[in-house]
Amino acid sequence: EAGVAQSPRYKIIEKRQSVAFWCNPISGHATLYWYQQILGQGPKLLIQFQNNGVVDDSQLPKDRFSAERLKGVDSTLKIQPAKLEDSAVYLCASSDGSTSSYNEQFFGPGTRLTVL
Amino acid sequence: GQNIDQPTEMTATEGAIVQINCTYQTSGFNGLFWYQQHAGEAPTFLSYNVLDGLEEKGRFSSFLSRSKGYSYLLLKELQMKDSASYLCAVRAYYKLSFGAGTTVTVRA
Repeated sequence: EAGVAQSPRYKIIEKRQSVAFWCNPISGHATLYWYQQILGQGPKLLIQFQNNGVVDDSQLPKDRFSAERLKGVDSTLKIQPAKLEDSAVYLCASSDGSTSSYNEQFFGPGTRLTVL
Repeated sequence: GQNIDQPTEMTATEGAIVQINCTYQTSGFNGLFWYQQHAGEAPTFLSYNVLDGLEEKGRFSSFLSRSKGYSYLLLKELQMKDSASYLCAVRAYYKLSFGAGTTVTVRA
């Protein structure tokens, strides 16, 4: 079974530029998550989708970050304009969205963003 | 939100045992996860506890006490490949919140 795919793996941009990340979850997984992981910290949830609807985006800086999940499969996360403090690894994860107690999240390899 | 605390770093010798503690404060608790994350890689699932007690899976065991808001991950027979960051994550209202992680260094 293929895992969660993300691209690009690395991105370097200057502040005030725009950037977009792409995620393809595990086939059949209804729930998709975007996390931001700053060096030395644990992942922080930015947004959670259930199919193509947003479940939680309470920690998404909506003045500069946006995300969509068209057709309930692939997702893109965009930052416009980027700030220095956005330098981090952006992780995408997916789960089958079941309401059972387990509902393990599977993570992609991440995109390492450096803002200069 | 959740307040999740775990030690920043731990060092142990190959073949030894290490215990990583995690304390948390939350409402709406419905599970605690441990993830392993090697440098530059994505987190991978290690264990899950939702009821009090010990869950054993090979060389790794995880314990949970909901009344104390406490969990630990026990790594036995340490190997060099176990050098990684170990993340404690608490699920509350079906949202996962991570601790900052404990970096474990295994020495020969």
